[in-house]
Parts: sequence; C-alpha cells; structure tokens
Amino acid sequence: DAGITQSPRHKVTETGTPVTLRCHQTENHRYMYWYRQDPGHGLRLIHYSYGVKDTDKGEVSDGYSVSRSKTEDFLLTLESATSSQTSVYFCAIKERGTDTQYFGPGTRLTVL
Amino acid sequence: AQSVTQLGSHVSVSEGALVLLRCNYSSSVPPYLFWYVQYPNQGLQLLLKYTTGATLVKGINGFEAEFKKSETSFHLTKPSAHMSDAAEYFCAVSDQPLVSGNEKLTFGTGTRLTIIP
Repeated sequence: DAGITQSPRHKVTETGTPVTLRCHQTENHRYMYWYRQDPGHGLRLIHYSYGVKDTDKGEVSDGYSVSRSKTEDFLLTLESATSSQTSVYFCAIKERGTDTQYFGPGTRLTVL
Repeated sequence: AQSVTQLGSHVSVSEGALVLLRCNYSSSVPPYLFWYVQYPNQGLQLLLKYTTGATLVKGINGFEAEFKKSETSFHLTKPSAHMSDAAEYFCAVSDQPLVSGNEKLTFGTGTRLTIIP
C-alpha cells in the first residue's frame, strides 16, 4: 500500500457533464500520474505532475485537464464528458530518484 | 518511441504447470522493464523490475523474468502455477533512466492468465 486513495471509486455520469476525479497520497511523493485503462490498450498516460502546479501532457490528454495545488492531491477533470471517456482511471505516484510507480485502486467511470 | 508487445491476450495453464508470459519491447535507450499484476477490481501491483545489473530478476510470488537484449525480450515465468496466480499481467518499459522523474511508462496491452484446476 503506497498510501494512495482515489475518489470516487465508481461514477456514472451523462454526456456533456463535467467530472473531477481525485487522487490523494499521504507520503509527499513528488511525481503523480493519471492513466486510463481500456481493453486492448493496456494503460495509457493522460497527464502527469512533477511538482505543485507543474504538470505535463501524456499520450492521451485531449479532453482532460489536471491540477495540483498541493503535494498530496492531483485532480483529473473531464470538462465535458463523452462516452469515449468511459474507462477505468488509475493514479500512480513515484519519488524522484526511484524507479517504480505505485498505483492506486482505480476509479471506474461510465459516461452514458 | 518506445513500445511493448505482449504476445497472447489470454493464456491458460493447468495448476502446477509452467507459466510463460511473453513480452517484447522496443526502446531507443537502455530500457528499464517492469511486470505488474492486476487482480480483479484492484490496482496494479509491481511483480518485478529490471533496471541494470543481473539480467535474471526475481519477483514476488515465485515469478521471475530474464532480460535478453539480443532478443529485446523480457518474458515472465513461474515454474508451477497456483490458482491464486489468475490475474492480468502487464509488461511496461520506461523511456529513460528513472532518475529525472519525467520518465514515462509505456504499457503492453496485458495478458489475462487463467489457471485450470
């Protein structure tokens, strides 16, 4: 357990509504990541953060934004959810100088 | 650009039999390689990793993997399968040495392992 929680764990929403997913960590790790997991695609990086207010895009960032106003929280926002964003979203953390990312339990998002 | 190919999206083995899950990678830099396991409705858990040094790496739950540069492979094995090994397994490669923090993992599409009693 790397001290990572994600909320909510499950969410059903409608197309066009905004959605925010939260990743919270308790161990002051510098690096945080958001992935989505889809059948046949494995995990794909959406955005990542290398410090407070420092973020960058990943492989599949279109339609997503992130914010990190404090070390422990990394928020993923879908400004206007679409059915193609139905997925399982995982947060991960890593400390600088180490070589392993640790994953949270995931959030299952369904967009109707 | 780096990539990972996992051969076989589904693998079934009998309890007690050898488990072999295949992973091939491409990378423009010396790779850092990982195997993660995902049990149903859970997050990913690190099984083992190769960074530098010994090419045969041992992980948790009796799994091991061998880095073969000439074959660009990092196959996962376990001598004797147990029912509790049923899960999905992901191979991943890092795009650069994992010291800067900006490195990113590229995952394979996963292999679902089923154990036959």
